[in-house]
Amino acid sequence: AQTVTQSQPEMSVQEAETVTLSCTYDTSENNYYLFWYKQPPSRQMILVIRQEAYKQQNATENRFSVNFQKAAKSFSLKISDSQLGDTAMYFCASSFSGNTPLVFGKGTRLSVIA
Amino acid sequence: GAVVSQHPSRVICKSGTSVKIECRSLDFQATTMFWYRQFPKQSLMLMATSNEGSKATYEQGVEKDKFLINHASLTLSTLTVTSAHPEDSSFYICSASKGYYGYTFGSGTRLTVV
Repeated sequence: AQTVTQSQPEMSVQEAETVTLSCTYDTSENNYYLFWYKQPPSRQMILVIRQEAYKQQNATENRFSVNFQKAAKSFSLKISDSQLGDTAMYFCASSFSGNTPLVFGKGTRLSVIA
Repeated sequence: GAVVSQHPSRVICKSGTSVKIECRSLDFQATTMFWYRQFPKQSLMLMATSNEGSKATYEQGVEKDKFLINHASLTLSTLTVTSAHPEDSSFYICSASKGYYGYTFGSGTRLTVV
């Protein structure tokens, strides 16, 4: 079974600063996928970034990047140049494949302060 | 691409009545859909996995007779909450799999049972 742990229930960051959200996971599989999703107050789930476990290179999407440490089973999200619109719940999630459900962490509530 | 339309966005029903929630994949065929439930300030909890043309697979503790899931076509999955009670009030979200390309979420349905 997969488990995903987010140990930071809440975080805050000043606008334009950088913040890192932590995520660890546990799986017995060799091949799996990792995701960060954002859920703003509208509650729409928005994909921030994804990482295939077999890829060593860390994924990046504009201001968002991950630090994927496979041996340590760690998958942290770095948000650079934080913007007010980044205020949201952030969920770390994993799956074995596209046809298996996502397993979510408990989430980190991020507040970006002007 | 990869849009999932979920309706209704909000519904209020009387205790004892049934409510149907629809999720449609608009621009792709979703062989697998997932249904989640989310309580306020909590993470998403998987309720069931729905495969087109077959019976849904329910997670442990989810009453299959209360939460009826139908996935009759490659673009439509429905969740019917039968004989709803106030404790069924929650936020329900569907997610469709696009295989390798990941997951797309509906916008969610806020159910209030009075």
